[in-house]
Amino acid sequence: DAGITQSPRHKVTETGTPVTLRCHQTENHRYMYWYRQDPGHGLRLIHYSYGVKDTDKGEVSDGYSVSRSKTEDFLLTLESATSSQTSVYFCAISESLLHSSSYEQYFGPGTRLTVT
Amino acid sequence: AQSVTQPDIHITVSEGASLELRCNYSYGATPYLFWYVQSPGQGLQLLLKYFSGDTLVQGIKGFEAEFKRSQSSFNLRKPSVHWSDAAEYFCAVATYGGSQGNLIFGKGTKLSVKP
Repeated sequence: DAGITQSPRHKVTETGTPVTLRCHQTENHRYMYWYRQDPGHGLRLIHYSYGVKDTDKGEVSDGYSVSRSKTEDFLLTLESATSSQTSVYFCAISESLLHSSSYEQYFGPGTRLTVT
Repeated sequence: AQSVTQPDIHITVSEGASLELRCNYSYGATPYLFWYVQSPGQGLQLLLKYFSGDTLVQGIKGFEAEFKRSQSSFNLRKPSVHWSDAAEYFCAVATYGGSQGNLIFGKGTKLSVKP
């Protein structure tokens, strides 16, 4: 299994509070992603990173920000959590085409976030 | 726009029976296609992938999938299902440019296995 950890694994927070989720990898992969998973929606991309300090928005980026100051860490921040952000959040990593002929991603174990 | 459709939300099969999970994609260029499996409370695990060559690809756990360009399909199959195969299965297509690609996922098919 790819070396990807997410912390915390579970979190309950109140509406309006800031929340930061962390993704840490030991694979030295260039690309990192944040997804949210909701029943009936599958996985939807929030933000991704293509290198240190290089990030871009995904399909559902409103209300989220990200940062990547080191290759191994990718942080997802909810500036002011809302109940609609209650979800399971997954981090994923992938190599660049320099090392892989495909675009497969490897996923972390997920963080279950509940906003009350 | 690119999309992935998994027509079956929930499928129940008997242990030992064959399985086919359907996936249809919409993508203008040559697709890179994937199947992932998610056990309850777990992350997603890559089952198999297609990006070129033989249209029948083999994956882990005895799964295979066949790419049919004419039907825009990438259906997942297993000849004999085991109780441990009960999980949710996701089909995905990579949208790519340069050296980076994003995945678009279907909404998933939940597989239940009857003893």
